[in-house]
Amino acid sequence: AQTIHQWPVAEIKAVGSPLSLGCTIKGKSSPNLYWYWQATGGTLQQLFYSITVGQVESVVQLNLSASRPKDDQFILSTEKLLLSHSGFYLCAWSLDWGGDYAEQFFGPGTRLTVL
Amino acid sequence: GDSVTQTEGQVALSEEDFLTIHCNYSASGYPALFWYVQYPGEGPQFLFRASRDKEKGSSRGFEATYDKGTTSFHLRKASVQESDSAVYYCALGSNMGYKLTFGTGTSLLVDP
Repeated sequence: AQTIHQWPVAEIKAVGSPLSLGCTIKGKSSPNLYWYWQATGGTLQQLFYSITVGQVESVVQLNLSASRPKDDQFILSTEKLLLSHSGFYLCAWSLDWGGDYAEQFFGPGTRLTVL
Repeated sequence: GDSVTQTEGQVALSEEDFLTIHCNYSASGYPALFWYVQYPGEGPQFLFRASRDKEKGSSRGFEATYDKGTTSFHLRKASVQESDSAVYYCALGSNMGYKLTFGTGTSLLVDP
């Protein structure tokens, strides 16, 4: 069975400080990986997706960056946090055979508070 | 661009009531359509999908039928339970499945 782990569970950070969030997928080889952001009480906004190691595509610009250093790992980061970065960050995976009908499976999320 | 519209922001029902949450989409071609459910403090859970006109998806007593004519994928359940209280999201898949566009979500509250 596939498992998806996100770390940390929660973070409280100061404006202007750096950030690094991580996601690991176990039990699935070469998955597609995704990062989403969800404002409190809001909908999910896709940020990045990655089809293979070392390749990341940006969907929306939010002064964030993403990297995929290993097949099973996806990292979200920024050098300077803004207040608007607060929210719930979710990692997701899908099968790598593509197609519009490939459902995505979400991790437990990381709650970020920027003060 | 692609978009998904959920008209109900909140729905309040009693147990055993019939549920309908409306979802309409705007996209070219035949995008895949999905329903997800999210409980407080958790990531969304995949409910089901449909990818062809008139195809019905279903799971856990919930169902929806892909209707290209009315560009809709309405979620229905015949008899809701208190445990169904959650936020429900309709979503549209495009760009070879790499892009998932979510609706604004519908918060369902079921009174026992």
